[in-house]
Amino acid sequence: QVQLQESGPGLVKPSQTLSLTCTVSGGSISSGYYSSWIRQHPGKGLEWIGYIYYTGSTYYNPSLKSRVTISVDTSNNQFSLKLRSVTAADTAVYYCATSAGSVAPFDYWGQGTLVTVSS
Amino acid sequence: QSALTQPASVSGSPGQSITISCTGTSTDVGGYNYVSWYQHHPGKAPKLIIYEVDTRPSGISFRFSGSKYGHTASLTISGLQAEDEADYYCTSYSRSSPCVFGTGTKVTVL
Repeated sequence: QVQLQESGPGLVKPSQTLSLTCTVSGGSISSGYYSSWIRQHPGKGLEWIGYIYYTGSTYYNPSLKSRVTISVDTSNNQFSLKLRSVTAADTAVYYCATSAGSVAPFDYWGQGTLVTVSS
Repeated sequence: QSALTQPASVSGSPGQSITISCTGTSTDVGGYNYVSWYQHHPGKAPKLIIYEVDTRPSGISFRFSGSKYGHTASLTISGLQAEDEADYYCTSYSRSSPCVFGTGTKVTVL
């Protein structure tokens, strides 16, 4: 059974960079997963941030594209999110998730990690 | 890319059937059969319950069914149970983005 676990700081200062890592166990990213980041603002709905294929190709939500970088580390079976120049509006629960294709559904999810942007 | 439109809340009594709509446009829901539905209990990971409009993943109850007509997809929960109380989100592939989420629907079991 594939399991995902997010890790990273729970508090980030405004204007700094939010950095999170998702560790995948029970399966190999290199087997062809599309690895995504998704967030949920407090009391709001889900928002897709972007995905990376194990080869390194990426696709980002157009609304966040200028501030987002997703990278993959196949040797450690991890993928990471960097969100630059954060503001309070980036406070959210961040989830990592995987899918079998670029248009496939998210079949495995992490439990989510709350990141608060505050000074 | 605007979020797909879902009703904010839907409620029903145990045993009843409810339907949640997910309305988009010709460039997302109406243009592709890549609509998925997720059940989300607060504090837990979302769970895939329907993909490609009407396909249930292995292990998902037959009480969950999906359909689509035009620009609107729908999720029907039959034989409503207390454990079905959760938030439900649709997603669709869109011409401008691989994934756009719906606004979310809170299902309450009366």
